[in-house]
Amino acid sequence: DVKVTQSSRYLVKRTGEKVFLECVQDMDHENMFWYRQDPGLGLRLIYFSYDVKMKEKGDIPEGYSVSREKKERFSLILESASTNQTSMYLCASSSSSSGRETQYFGPGTRLLVL
Amino acid sequence: DQQVKQNSPSLSVQEGRISILNCDYTNSMFDYFLWYKKYPAEGPTFLISISSIKDKNEDGRFTVFLNKSAKHLSLHIVPSQPGDSAVYFCAASESHFGNEKLTFGTGTRLTIIP
Repeated sequence: DVKVTQSSRYLVKRTGEKVFLECVQDMDHENMFWYRQDPGLGLRLIYFSYDVKMKEKGDIPEGYSVSREKKERFSLILESASTNQTSMYLCASSSSSSGRETQYFGPGTRLLVL
Repeated sequence: DQQVKQNSPSLSVQEGRISILNCDYTNSMFDYFLWYKKYPAEGPTFLISISSIKDKNEDGRFTVFLNKSAKHLSLHIVPSQPGDSAVYFCAASESHFGNEKLTFGTGTRLTIIP
């Protein structure tokens, strides 16, 4: 079974704080993704990574950065948290090995920025 | 610009009846489509997919239909069960991206009434 874990289920941070969200997958997947989910907007892609040290901007990268130093771990960084970054953050991973593989998601981190 | 749209934010269906969830897309380059199901406080889980070379794919109680000329897909659940109550997201990808990047719709909350 694919397992994607996220470091925190709930986080409360203050405006201006630096926030780290960690994601780990145990299936040796090449691809990892960070999304945010907001009511009425669905899932929007923030950043993704094809390989270690590789990263690509998604649809809404502003205010975020990422780090992928190891294959199994993909971190999302909010350099200076703002209230409009209050959201549910979802990490996902997928394999590039064959065909059109699906993405497997973690349980999500609900972030509240005060 | 929302390339994948789910125009019904919510849907209520009687247990045992058919649930039909709809999704429209605007990008003609999309050639692979997926449905994900999401329970509260959990990450989305993959449900069923369809390639653009097909117009129907069936898996147990779940069937996805694709109408390429109308840029429309639908998910049929029959018979509907209380455990099907969840938010359903459709997603799409382009072949030159392989499996790396999915574009998600805004979601439809399905409620099955016992």
